Amino acid sequence: GQSLEQPSEVTAVEGAIVQINCTYQTSGFYGLSWYQQHDGGAPTFLSYNALDGLEETGRFSSFLSRSDSYGYLLLQELQMKDSASYFCAGKDGGATNKLIFGTGTLLAVQP
Amino acid sequence: DTEVTQTPKHLVMGMTNKKSLKCEQHMGHRAMYWYKQKAKKPPELMFVYSYEKLSINESVPSRFSPECPNSSLLNLHLHALQPEDSALYLCASSHGAGQAQETQYFGPGTRLLVL
Repeated sequence: GQSLEQPSEVTAVEGAIVQINCTYQTSGFYGLSWYQQHDGGAPTFLSYNALDGLEETGRFSSFLSRSDSYGYLLLQELQMKDSASYFCAGKDGGATNKLIFGTGTLLAVQP
Repeated sequence: DTEVTQTPKHLVMGMTNKKSLKCEQHMGHRAMYWYKQKAKKPPELMFVYSYEKLSINESVPSRFSPECPNSSLLNLHLHALQPEDSALYLCASSHGAGQAQETQYFGPGTRLLVL
């Protein structure tokens, strides 16, 4: 099985850069995904890392280090609308369609 | 169309009621999922349907009964629920090809309150 740990809350100001960390323990690794969920809304896919390194998608980047069992989501030029919960997620290798979500990080962007 | 729809948006039911949650997608996805999410917690997987067959049941109590009538529809039948079952119920779908990276598309959820 897998477990993915994240900080529970992060606070930052508009225009700043923030990093949300995810450490995982897994018996098999099939990549790390990131999802965003606004309060009362549906989780939406942000990014995926299969291999070590940085993936960039606009203001959002995601990094993975498999040797350290660690990844992070980097949000640049923060906007108020980025206030949301962010979840890392990994696949359970024993069950191909099973996605395990991290504990989640609530990001509060302040003016 | 990259939308997953869910009805109803809100549901209040008593512990003796029977109700159903519905989910629909028209993206041609062959994997569909039910998740339960409590406030300030991550989504917890309940069921996975792959090609209209139940492939994963995460030891969910029998008072929750999933059904997949066809490749576009997914239902969750509820009966004799407990107050602790109150939560946001999310439906999701994905291509179902079993690739390592398979984005899941979530519906807006049904917020369920059991009295």
